[in-house]
Amino acid sequence: SQKIEQNSEALNIQEGKTATLTCNYTNYSPAYLQWYRQDPGRGPVFLLLIRENEKEKRKERLKVTFDTTLKQSLFHITASQPADSATYLCAPTGGGADGLTFGKGTHLIIQP
Amino acid sequence: GAGVSQSPSNKVTEKGKDVELRCDPISGHTALYWYRQRLGQGLEFLIYFQGNSAPDKSGLPSDRFSAERTGESVSTLTIQRTQQEDSAVYLCASSLSSLQTYGYTFGSGTRLTVV
Repeated sequence: SQKIEQNSEALNIQEGKTATLTCNYTNYSPAYLQWYRQDPGRGPVFLLLIRENEKEKRKERLKVTFDTTLKQSLFHITASQPADSATYLCAPTGGGADGLTFGKGTHLIIQP
Repeated sequence: GAGVSQSPSNKVTEKGKDVELRCDPISGHTALYWYRQRLGQGLEFLIYFQGNSAPDKSGLPSDRFSAERTGESVSTLTIQRTQQEDSAVYLCASSLSSLQTYGYTFGSGTRLTVV
């Protein structure tokens, strides 16, 4: 069955450093991968979508990579700030018309 | 509207009662999704609508759960004879299209507590 793995343990990063989060998937070949941020008590917020033919995508301090050989996406936040502290969810998708399946998310804590 | 609106934001109900949760999507978004998130857990897909049609109802946990959508507007998720295990945050999202090349805009959710 399809499986999405994100580090379930909280990731603690010092302010100003680069935070790197991992999303691994097995038993399918997504054409796209979406990343979301979720703050406590709020719904997820869409951040980025990357296509399988895009090795890398950037948006301000965010950078996402997509390696279809490794079946992995990396999500980087450069010059991290305490306000970046949140849970980050990935959702690999074939691009079809079903509801997205999300990973369980990684809780990121940026310490001042 | 500017965002996805869900109501009520909080609902406490007695076991066995029926509840109705409402979602107002962004105007022009044809696709609408319902998810459930139990405390400390991931998002569990329930159902999606393309227009007022629900092509996939397989995510609904039991026949106590049902959902409707009026045109490309408001949707309601109804839970009959609520059980304690139904306690969770119910999140609604809308998107320009049901194709997964568009990001979702989520509401803030309805926190349901069954006592």
